[in-house]
Amino acid sequence: GDSVTQMEGPVTLSEEAFLTINCTYTATGYPSLFWYVQYPGEGLQLLLKATKADDKGSNKGFEATYRKETTSFHLEKGSVQVSDSAVYFCALSPGYSSASKIIFGSGTRLSIRP
Amino acid sequence: DTAVSQTPKYLVTQMGNDKSIKCEQNLGHDTMYWYKQDSKKFLKIMFSYNNKELIINETVPNRFSPKSPDKAHLNLHINSLELGDSAVYFCASSQGPEDNEQFFGPGTRLTVL
Repeated sequence: GDSVTQMEGPVTLSEEAFLTINCTYTATGYPSLFWYVQYPGEGLQLLLKATKADDKGSNKGFEATYRKETTSFHLEKGSVQVSDSAVYFCALSPGYSSASKIIFGSGTRLSIRP
Repeated sequence: DTAVSQTPKYLVTQMGNDKSIKCEQNLGHDTMYWYKQDSKKFLKIMFSYNNKELIINETVPNRFSPKSPDKAHLNLHINSLELGDSAVYFCASSQGPEDNEQFFGPGTRLTVL
């Protein structure tokens, strides 16, 4: 079945460091891919998305590129801030289903030191 | 002007009790969802309703019964609560069943003692 695998956390970085959180997926058809962020005590918020191969999603300095050849959607940010501390979820929505079901990865907790 | 709201935010109860969690969205969306997030942050879909009709029903014990009185509301009723039901439950909505951008509520933390 469809699934998402993302790097284990927690990830701890210093402010202004470069961030990469790896995400790979297995899917039938042509899924849409997402990164969601969950700040402490809050619900999930959509951070960015890409709906087809080679699309790049970007928001708040974060970027991810839909790579069909490597079935990956890695999240990157050039210079992280303390306010980026949160749990990040990679997710996909299968392309074959008429009912939109999002399949989430296990989440990666990111902590940024001042 | 909260988009997706849930009540209560916290729920602590004894094993064997019956409880409900309510969800409302004011986005005018047709489709609503319930997700369960376990202690390891793993998030899994439970149910989805489109215009008050059930469209996704994952492998969930039948102690869990969703109810959608109208398309702006999707409530979750849980009978005979068990320790393993302790989790954070998130409601979400999307414009339609094929719209894969979902908006999440703040979550309800359920603790079963």
